[in-house]
Amino acid sequence: QKEVEQDPGPLSVPEGAIVSLNCTYSNSAFQYFMWYRQYSRKGPELLMYTYSSGNKEDGRFTAQVDKSSKYISLFIRDSQPSDSATYLCAMSPYSGAGSYQLTFGKGTKLSVIP
Amino acid sequence: ETGVTQTPRHLVMGMTNKKSLKCEQHLGHNAMYWYKQSAKKPLELMFVYNFKEQTENNSVPSRFSPECPNSSHLFLHLHTLQPEDSALYLCASSERLSSSGYEQFFGPGTRLTVL
Repeated sequence: QKEVEQDPGPLSVPEGAIVSLNCTYSNSAFQYFMWYRQYSRKGPELLMYTYSSGNKEDGRFTAQVDKSSKYISLFIRDSQPSDSATYLCAMSPYSGAGSYQLTFGKGTKLSVIP
Repeated sequence: ETGVTQTPRHLVMGMTNKKSLKCEQHLGHNAMYWYKQSAKKPLELMFVYNFKEQTENNSVPSRFSPECPNSSHLFLHLHTLQPEDSALYLCASSERLSSSGYEQFFGPGTRLTVL
């Protein structure tokens, strides 16, 4: 079983739709959960991060972590064409030795159609 | 220049060529990383440097040779590569090695094609 599973898509939605992106993982040591957005021909940029379980909201974006199910989600409300990108989930252990070790999903390519 | 910059942005090389990728960070960070991003695969950590000292080599073939002359610059020297080495090579930096993963900042990458 791979450490982090992420459906690669592609996912195509109409403008204004609610988008749900998900990852599952197997390593219980993961404590930090990140979502990166990567536009074509660019490097990944951090969108949001969450420590341990719970929800975090930032504008149209909401990140959820369910450690009991080893499942994380990113919701995008009122999706815009500018949200079209590849979304990568990543995880790392608690701060300290090895905390820099990011384990990534393969990424989900999202297209928001005007 | 701000953030993390990488040059060149695109590189095409033959299997017998020798080339180098350059990364520069303008954030005052002390840790730098090389990642490989291949199609349909997750990002893979290749090398880690902390205060110019290599702290990690994730079983990377010797045809990839990193160099970190100071905390702001990181190079990846390439020689006798294989077509399967074609990928996007990303550089990242963080303030310190023990920073949590979310504190890594990525450059735009170098798209490498090996013919």
